[in-house]
Amino acid sequence: DAGITQSPRHKVTETGTPVTLRCHQTENHRYMYWYRQDPGHGLRLIHYSYGVKDTDKGEVSDGYSVSRSKTEDFLLTLESATSSQTSVYFCAISEGGVGTDTQYFGPGTRLTVL
Amino acid sequence: AQSVTQPDIHITVSEGASLELRCNYSYGATPYLFWYVQSPGQGLQLLLKYFSGDTLVQGIKGFEAEFKRSQSSFNLRKPSVHWSDASVLFCAVGAGGGKLIFGQGTELSVKP
Repeated sequence: DAGITQSPRHKVTETGTPVTLRCHQTENHRYMYWYRQDPGHGLRLIHYSYGVKDTDKGEVSDGYSVSRSKTEDFLLTLESATSSQTSVYFCAISEGGVGTDTQYFGPGTRLTVL
Repeated sequence: AQSVTQPDIHITVSEGASLELRCNYSYGATPYLFWYVQSPGQGLQLLLKYFSGDTLVQGIKGFEAEFKRSQSSFNLRKPSVHWSDASVLFCAVGAGGGKLIFGQGTELSVKP
C-alpha cells in the first residue's frame, strides 16, 4: 500500500469553526489531491498541488483552502465550516501530472459539521 | 465538458454469476480511463486502467474492462463474482494535469 495517512480520521465540529485536515505521504510523489465524496456525486476534486507551494483549484474549491509547505504534507482548511461540507474527504497522490499516472488514495476523513 | 456516467447506482449479483458494469464518458481527446474499487470503510484502489493499445484491459481481482471508442464506453466485467467483491466501483477519466473526473459510482452487492 502507498504510504498515505490522513488525520484526523473522524471529526465532528460545529458550524462556523475552522477545520484543518492533514494528508501525509512517504512516497515523495510530486502531485497531491484533495477530494470529497458525497452520495450521488462520486468523488469531486477540491484542490490539488503539483509541488511545494504550488496549488490550484479543482471543481468544488469554494469554502476551502490548501497549503503545501513540504513535499510530504498537504493541508486542507475549511475556514468556517458549514453543514454542506459534511462529507468524507480523501487525499490522493501521484508521481507526476501525466494523465496515465495512477492515483493512490488515503483512508479518508469523515467530517461532520453540526 | 468532460464527464463520466455510471447508469447503474446499485447492482445485486448472485455469487458465481457474471458481472458487467457500465461506464460512459465524454471527453474530447483520447481518454485515459480508470476503474477504482472502494471496499467498505476504505479508500480507493486501482482495479485497471486504459490509455492505449489493446482495448481489452486486465486488472486485479479477475476484473477486465473493454474500451469502445465508438460507444464512448469503458465497461467493467468479471466472469464469476465472489462475495468479497461487494464494494463501490468508480469509473474515472483523466482530465489533464493528472486530475481525474469520477462517475457517481455503482454499489455492488453479492447474494450468497
